[in-house]
Amino acid sequence: EDQVTQSPEALRLQEGESSSLNCSYTVSGLRGLFWYRQDPGKGPEFLFTLYSAGEEKEKERLKATLTKKESFLHITAPKPEDSATYLCAVQAGTGTASKLTFGTGTRLQVTL
Amino acid sequence: GAGVSQTPSNKVTEKGKYVELRCDPISGHTALYWYRQSLGQGPEFLIYFQGTGAADDSGLPNDRFFAVRPEGSVSTLKIQRTERGDSAVYLCASSLGQGRGYTFGSGTRLTVV
Repeated sequence: EDQVTQSPEALRLQEGESSSLNCSYTVSGLRGLFWYRQDPGKGPEFLFTLYSAGEEKEKERLKATLTKKESFLHITAPKPEDSATYLCAVQAGTGTASKLTFGTGTRLQVTL
Repeated sequence: GAGVSQTPSNKVTEKGKYVELRCDPISGHTALYWYRQSLGQGPEFLIYFQGTGAADDSGLPNDRFFAVRPEGSVSTLKIQRTERGDSAVYLCASSLGQGRGYTFGSGTRLTVV
């Protein structure tokens, strides 16, 4: 059974204080690892897909990296508008459109 | 449309009643997914459609839950004999497949009283 574990559950940062969120996974035949951002009352918003160990992707203050066992979401010099829940998910199986298995998320709060 | 549209945004129903939740995917997206999210949890997979057919319904919790997508576009999630434990946010997402990211709707918050 595919498993995704995210840590920490919650993180409070001051504006400008860089940090990393962790996503550990156990899956048979990883097809992709996804990062999403979710604001209260909204659906998850797609950030990145990573496909193979060593891959990195960046978007503004966010950078996602992938190893064979885990992924990190690095947040550089965060701003209050980065406050949200960050979800990690894995896609496995034989079909390219198969389901995602999500972790429980990391709730990030960035204060002034 | 520009995004995934879900209606209603909120639904309050009495225990034992029947409810239908609607999802309008992004035009041209062949894959459509239903997820359920409880407070403080990540989305939990329910069912996914490729075109009109259910390609994987392994996440449906029991036979009270059923979903259709008769013309390969709009989908309806149907819940019979609702229970208080069914209360959650029901999310719909669509995708072009091929490992691309899903686009989620804002969800329907279902409350069973």
